[in-house]
Amino acid sequence: NAGVTQTPKFQVLKTGQSMTLQCAQDMNHNSMYWYRQDPGMGLRLIYYSASEGTTDKGEVPNGYNVSRLNKREFSLRLESAAPSQTSVYFCASSEGQGASYEQYFGPGTRLTVT
Amino acid sequence: QKEVEQNSGPLSVPEGAIASLNCTYSDRGSQSFFWYRQYSGKSPELIMFIYSNGDKEDGRFTAQLNKASQYVSLLIRDSQPSDSATYLCAVTGGSYKLIFGSGTRLLVRP
Repeated sequence: NAGVTQTPKFQVLKTGQSMTLQCAQDMNHNSMYWYRQDPGMGLRLIYYSASEGTTDKGEVPNGYNVSRLNKREFSLRLESAAPSQTSVYFCASSEGQGASYEQYFGPGTRLTVT
Repeated sequence: QKEVEQNSGPLSVPEGAIASLNCTYSDRGSQSFFWYRQYSGKSPELIMFIYSNGDKEDGRFTAQLNKASQYVSLLIRDSQPSDSATYLCAVTGGSYKLIFGSGTRLLVRP
């Protein structure tokens, strides 16, 4: 039982390049999330998927797109990377029903855009 | 703007002492409250959650919730150097979403 996995662990991009961050969970959770974490800013929600087939914007969605490929997988795409997107990206999942909002996090992707 | 506020610290306590971490939130409708621990360079790890007013104990950790005053706290008894980390408070801000504070850094001195 791996929990939440993310690939890649590290990535360096040049401005304007694109990439997709992958996330998968094996806990049969309904809801999945993408966050970014910057120094002194805490975790900020980029996009979330309450259930398979649905996605919604979070607090900081500009410059990102997401795909909920199936119940297990939720990917985050940067179409044209900018230095402001240098950050640590975390994927998380939760059962998402009723009061069960506990979220479990993947190990993170450290992205640098030059 | 719904907010969750935490003192960034660092909060420095000697080994064996009680560490008290506090968090205030602005949304009176919030119903679920979580404490995550994050070691440097690692992902957040859930350590406690609380839904009802009062105290909830789990080993050396106690979460306290006061909805009238809109604060939630985390007490760590018999603090150990291994407890040194950043502690993130998170509050439900609507269906399926958590709002995180920026975290309090705790240092436990041997």
